[in-house]
Amino acid sequence: EPEVTQTPSHQVTQMGQEVILRCVPISNHLYFYWYRQILGQKVEFLVSFYNNEISEKSEIFDDQFSVERPDGSNFTLKIRSTKLEDSAMYFCASSVSSGSWTGELFFGEGSRLTVL
Amino acid sequence: GENVEQHPSTLSVQEGDSAVIKCTYSDSASNYFPWYKQELGKRPQLIIDIRSNVGEKKDQRIAVTLNKTAKHFSLHITETQPEDSAVYFCAASREYGNKLVFGAGTILRVKS
Repeated sequence: EPEVTQTPSHQVTQMGQEVILRCVPISNHLYFYWYRQILGQKVEFLVSFYNNEISEKSEIFDDQFSVERPDGSNFTLKIRSTKLEDSAMYFCASSVSSGSWTGELFFGEGSRLTVL
Repeated sequence: GENVEQHPSTLSVQEGDSAVIKCTYSDSASNYFPWYKQELGKRPQLIIDIRSNVGEKKDQRIAVTLNKTAKHFSLHITETQPEDSAVYFCAASREYGNKLVFGAGTILRVKS
């Protein structure tokens, strides 16, 4: 079964450093998302991406964050200058095959970011 | 924007008993309501979903009911087993491509 894959699984970084989290969505999906989950809390929406542009973003997704689809397969989340409060699990997800809408979001395994 | 409230935050049941988790949503335009199960350190996994054109959906031991008028939906797990222990999240969204808004989660413990 196709899967969303994410790298790295865990990244430790110093406050103020730039971090790039990478995702490979399912190949025939059209919508891509980043969510984050602070330890013990709920899953929070960051940004959605469709047709090579951001379709929606949350108030969390400020100027420190950016997303990119640099080629036909990767989808990246960049945090320019990490803060302690950016420590969380970041989940990439994709949805909607080209054939029909199921609505189901397929999540990757997550990238745990620890900011020291 | 959409707001999803979920109750209870923790639920302990005896193996074999039923478990019910309830969610309410605020956006009357929401029409897709999935439930996710998340085991410790793992990704959320879809276990069942319902669209606004139906009131109930069942898949073996799990079922979801939806009341659009009252804007609430519930997850029912019957004959619970220890492997059902996990965090369960409800969510809501509008049409396809729209973000999912998650509830705060329910920690379900099934005691054997």
